[in-house]
Amino acid sequence: EDQVTQSPEALRLQEGESSSLNCSYTVSGLRGLFWYRQDPGKGPEFLFTLYSAGEEKEKERLKATLTKKESFLHITAPKPEDSATYLCAVQARGYSTLTFGKGTMLLVSP
Amino acid sequence: DGGITQSPKYLFRKEGQNVTLSCEQNLNHDAMYWYRQDPGQGLRLIYYSQIVNDFQKGDIAEGYSVSREKKESFPLTVTSAQKNPTAFYLCASSIGARNEQFFGPGTRLTVL
Repeated sequence: EDQVTQSPEALRLQEGESSSLNCSYTVSGLRGLFWYRQDPGKGPEFLFTLYSAGEEKEKERLKATLTKKESFLHITAPKPEDSATYLCAVQARGYSTLTFGKGTMLLVSP
Repeated sequence: DGGITQSPKYLFRKEGQNVTLSCEQNLNHDAMYWYRQDPGQGLRLIYYSQIVNDFQKGDIAEGYSVSREKKESFPLTVTSAQKNPTAFYLCASSIGARNEQFFGPGTRLTVL
């Protein structure tokens, strides 16, 4: 059974204080790992897809990296508008569905 | 503007009533999905459809039903058999079953 564990459950940062969110996974052959951002009361917004170990993708202050067992979402010099819940999901090879983690709630204070 | 719409945004239901949640997309995506989100839990898959007139059960299909008569539409019915239906319901779509999924704004269902 595919499993996704995200840590920490919640993270509070000061504006400009860089940090990383972790997504550990077990899957029977990874096809893709997905990162989403979700604001309260809204649907998740797609951020990145990573396909193979060593791959990195960047968008503004966010950078996602992938190893064979985990992915990191690095947040550089965060701003209050980066406050949200960040969700990680995996898709196994040969399957069409995603397995989601419970998310990390990020709060960035000015 | 292409996107996914869900209606209504808020829905209240009395116990014993069936309700239908709407999901429409104009992205020309083949695959559509329904998820349920509860506080402190990850998204859980209810049903998904990879093509018109075909759909598969997800992890928590009991008490729910769907139809896929048109490519653009994938309505979800929450039946009276669903024991704990109060939750945030999310619809998603993807170009193909193995591509990234894009989500609608969600419907919050409350059973009174």
